[in-house]
Amino acid sequence: GAVVSQHPSRVICKSGTSVKIECRSLDFQATTMFWYRQFPKQSLMLMATSNEGSKATYEQGVEKDKFLINHASLTLSTLTVTSAHPEDSSFYICSARDYGRGQETQYFGPGTRLLVL
Amino acid sequence: AQRVTQPEKLLSVFKGAPVELKCNYSYSGSPELFWYVQYSRQRLQLLLRHISRESIKGFTADLNKGETSFHLKKPFAQEEDSAMYYCAPGGTSYGKLTFGQGTILTVHP
Repeated sequence: GAVVSQHPSRVICKSGTSVKIECRSLDFQATTMFWYRQFPKQSLMLMATSNEGSKATYEQGVEKDKFLINHASLTLSTLTVTSAHPEDSSFYICSARDYGRGQETQYFGPGTRLLVL
Repeated sequence: AQRVTQPEKLLSVFKGAPVELKCNYSYSGSPELFWYVQYSRQRLQLLLRHISRESIKGFTADLNKGETSFHLKKPFAQEEDSAMYYCAPGGTSYGKLTFGQGTILTVHP
């Protein structure tokens, strides 16, 4: 099946710094990717929809200036957490949408663990 | 608003017993329904979708539009079925998914 990678797998940063997380579709092109956030023992919360070549669509309550999304190519979307604070510590997961055999499927990355000190 | 309810946070059964993971949804339009599974230390992956009407790893799920339910069933649970299961209806808006809270299934030997 299709593979989605994320880099880094985990990152520790100081409060006030910015962190960039990459999401790549390795063997397919994805015009649409999604970014989720998952708190411990909780479900995935959709943060934004990343569209290649256009602005991301953010879910209600998600600060677009805080979580910058860039989808510059058909295989790469990046999420930048700007001026990170401890409350931004979380597990960030991306997914990429693929059309195969006439069906649309979302493939998920392994996630990135962010810890802000 | 789109809403998904998985009433059981934890579900434990013994190997060979039937298992049913419940999912109820409230969704505008006609969503496509999915079940995703996350095994220990692995990424989230698609288990099955209602449109395919297929059985994956012995699991099936029937969409009941009247009850707005999409329960996941397996007649004989196996230990390797132990995992976190998410019900997720999807809309047509770029294929967005709304995830339920998830059910942790534990199958005891």
